[in-house]
Amino acid sequence: DTEVTQTPKHLVMGMTNKKSLKCEQHMGHRAMYWYKQKAKKPPELMFVYSYEKLSINESVPSRFSPECPNSSLLNLHLHALQPEDSALYLCASSQDRTWTRTYEQYFGPGTRLTVT
Amino acid sequence: KNQVEQSPQSLIILEGKNCTLQCNYTVSPFSNLRWYKQDTGRGPVSLTIMTFSENTKSNGRYTATLDADTKQSSLHITASQLSDSASYICVVTSGGSYIPTFGRGTSLIVHP
Repeated sequence: DTEVTQTPKHLVMGMTNKKSLKCEQHMGHRAMYWYKQKAKKPPELMFVYSYEKLSINESVPSRFSPECPNSSLLNLHLHALQPEDSALYLCASSQDRTWTRTYEQYFGPGTRLTVT
Repeated sequence: KNQVEQSPQSLIILEGKNCTLQCNYTVSPFSNLRWYKQDTGRGPVSLTIMTFSENTKSNGRYTATLDADTKQSSLHITASQLSDSASYICVVTSGGSYIPTFGRGTSLIVHP
């Protein structure tokens, strides 16, 4: 099973709402990633978890709060977002966070987030 | 600053034709280069991964080449199909960090 699942597929939220995105993999991968992708742009790395610990935070605003409850699950908690945060949020996983090795990175289908 | 430049930005070809996409990078030190295919609204799917010592790698109708001296890579698509319509993204990782550098992608449209 080489699948990364993400829920929900689509999410519309107001600027005062609190919502969460969920990502799950059962490949035994120990690194999980959150990316943000705007239309016609490449993905931008947001967070990297390695062995359930946050190892990279690419200066992401605090209104985005990641959580890794266990090695298979990754959440992204959203609070007080702005309309410019509307984007496709992609989750990915790999065997290890060491990109210098040729570990395959598997992406989920993404959650399309719209902030109104 | 590490950068990855892709060309062309967009490309339209007829079904059955071949095409080549380009990727130039300034990432140093070099560790590996990946090509991804991304359908609209979907997550990227890996096509090839190449390290410094690899010049060519194929995955079905997709063939990637790497010239580490000139810091250039290409992705050649043979006998294109309508399903090849997608964005193709080049990603380069340096040996000194764990942060990948993404290119802006080439949007390929295959017409029947």
